[in-house]
Amino acid sequence: ELKVEQNPLFLSMQEGKNYTIYCNYSTTSDRLYWYRQNPGKSLESLFVLLSNGAVKQEGRLMASLDTKARLSTLHITAAVHDLSATYFCAVDTGGNTGNQFYFGTGTSLTVIP
Amino acid sequence: DTEVTQTPKHLVMGMTNKKSLKCEQHMGHRAMYWYKQKAKKPPELMFVYSYEKLSINESVPSRFSPECPNSSLLNLHLHALQPEDSALYLCASSQDDGAGGLAQYFGPGTRLLVL
Repeated sequence: ELKVEQNPLFLSMQEGKNYTIYCNYSTTSDRLYWYRQNPGKSLESLFVLLSNGAVKQEGRLMASLDTKARLSTLHITAAVHDLSATYFCAVDTGGNTGNQFYFGTGTSLTVIP
Repeated sequence: DTEVTQTPKHLVMGMTNKKSLKCEQHMGHRAMYWYKQKAKKPPELMFVYSYEKLSINESVPSRFSPECPNSSLLNLHLHALQPEDSALYLCASSQDDGAGGLAQYFGPGTRLLVL
């Protein structure tokens, strides 16, 4: 059974601080995605990581992928309140179309002013 | 147009009702997906359509019936649902992003309540 686990599940941090969310998965996959969901809203794609060692950055968020360790990280730098949301990683196990995406457990982030 | 639309936004139905959820995208994506999301949980994959053909059915009960009339539309027909089927139903579409990866675009979802 495929497992995609995130930790922590809940994260409360002060503005200006740094923190890392971890995503571990149990299958071999070169494709890892990060999404963000605000309360009552849909999912927003943040990053697509396609190979071992891939690193992508957007603003205060940086994601990386280590396929050998089956680990992805989402690093938050100098957090601001607007980053409060639930963050999901997802693993893609299929071919080039109609892939199967399996989502992690989610990390609920609250940034305190 | 980089948008996936879903209708209705909210739906309340009884256990004997028949209803349909609709999803539409005009980005030329050839893969479309239905997910179910319960409160405070991750989305769970239900169905995947690839080039208008059902390619993945994640052992979903037959009271959920997907349909893909054309490459832009995806329906989810609901019949004899149970209260535990109450959830947010998300539609998504994807196309190869040119680098071998498939960024998914999600619709706003339909919030379903089964009484």
